[in-house]
This record gives sequence, structure tokens and C-alpha cells, in this order.
Amino acid sequence: EVQLLESGGGLVQPGGSLRLSCAASGFSFSSYGLTWVRQAPGKGLEWVSGLSGSGGRTYYADSVKGRFTISRDNSKNTLYLQMNSLRAEDTAVYYCAKDQFGCTATSCYEGTPYYLGSWGQGTLVIVSS
Amino acid sequence: QSALTQPASVSGSPGQSITISCTGTSSDVGGYNHVSWYQQYPGKAPKLTIYEVTNRPSGVPDRFSGSKSGNTASLTISGLQAEDEADYYCSSYKTTNTVVFGGGTKLTVL
Repeated sequence: EVQLLESGGGLVQPGGSLRLSCAASGFSFSSYGLTWVRQAPGKGLEWVSGLSGSGGRTYYADSVKGRFTISRDNSKNTLYLQMNSLRAEDTAVYYCAKDQFGCTATSCYEGTPYYLGSWGQGTLVIVSS
Repeated sequence: QSALTQPASVSGSPGQSITISCTGTSSDVGGYNHVSWYQQYPGKAPKLTIYEVTNRPSGVPDRFSGSKSGNTASLTISGLQAEDEADYYCSSYKTTNTVVFGGGTKLTVL
């Protein structure tokens, strides 16, 4: 069974930093693209960042470009989101999600995942003074 | 990155059919078949319900179907059931190699 477990959320002051983690199990972690999606309280889903299946390429929403960094550690089956220069509008539940389709034996899609087949339960980030 | 346009709410009675629209541009919905739909219950994570415009992941009832015409994608739920009451989000790949979601539609089963 695929499991994704986010952690690292909490209360942080504007301008501060936070690193989110997403521990994965139940699938071949290194073969799948991964994504962070957030949802502000009472609002809709917002795509934040994507990481290609090989891990070689990263993609960001304009709203977080230059402030957030997505990365993965295949040895720990963990996805990260380093968030710097946080703003009040970054307040949200942050979900990690796995691509519905993984790398094949011969190739890996190098774009951002766009079918998010499994999601974690989310971690809440509150940016406030 | 502007969100795709969805109606804020739709409603229907048990057994009826409803359709949720999702309008984008030629840079997203109209330019690719990489459209997906997600179902989200309050306080829960979203669940992939439709991918590649028309395909259902394993376990999703065939009451759920998707389609697309031009820049507009649609999700149809036939034989509406009480358990279908949830928020629904469309999503599309964009030319900028990013992903955009719709604003979400709250489905009420009367």
C-alpha cells in the first residue's frame, strides 16, 4: 500500500524558513515523480512544485519561485520542500503527492507530474507574527 | 498562474446526473489531453478520480466519466449517490511545464 506522510509544518514568522518532509513507502520511490500541492484554509488546491521521475528536473509555481526548493533523498525515500522568505499568503495545508505513473524500464518522464495518484494527509503551515 | 474556471457549486438529487465544467485556455486544457479530476471530502486529501480526460483509476465507479471539447473539460457523475457529495477539482498540464487547478466545485446531493 502506498503511503505518504508529511511532517515539518508549524507556526513560523513572516520572513522565516521551514522544511517540510514527506516520507514514502509502498512503492519504488526512486522511480516516480513527486509534487507538492497546497490548500489555504477554506480555499482551493494550488500546485506548488514538481520533481521529475529521475529527480533531475524541478518545476515551480511563479508564486514560490526563488523562495522554495523541492528535492528528494532516494536513500531515505523522502521528499522535501525547503521554504524560505515565508509570507502570510503561504499559510496552507501542504500535501505531497506521487505521480500516477512511474518510470519504465527504459525511460523516465522528465516533466512535472500531472496525474497525482496518491496523496499524503497534509501538514499545516501557518505564517504569522 | 490563473486557475481554471469551475462553477462554485452544483447540486442534484440521488439517481440524477450532474456535470461540472472546467474552462481553461489553449495553453492548458485546450492544448493537451492531460486533464484530471480530483474528489476531496472535507478535511481529507484529494483523490484522483479521472485522468487523461476520460480514464478512471482502478476502484473509481464507472458512474464517473470525463470529456473535453476545445478549452473546456467536463466531469459527469451519473446515478448520483449521497457519498458523491464532495468538492471536485479539475487540473491540467500547462505549456510552462507546470500544473494548474480549477477553483473547485462543491457538489451537494439533495
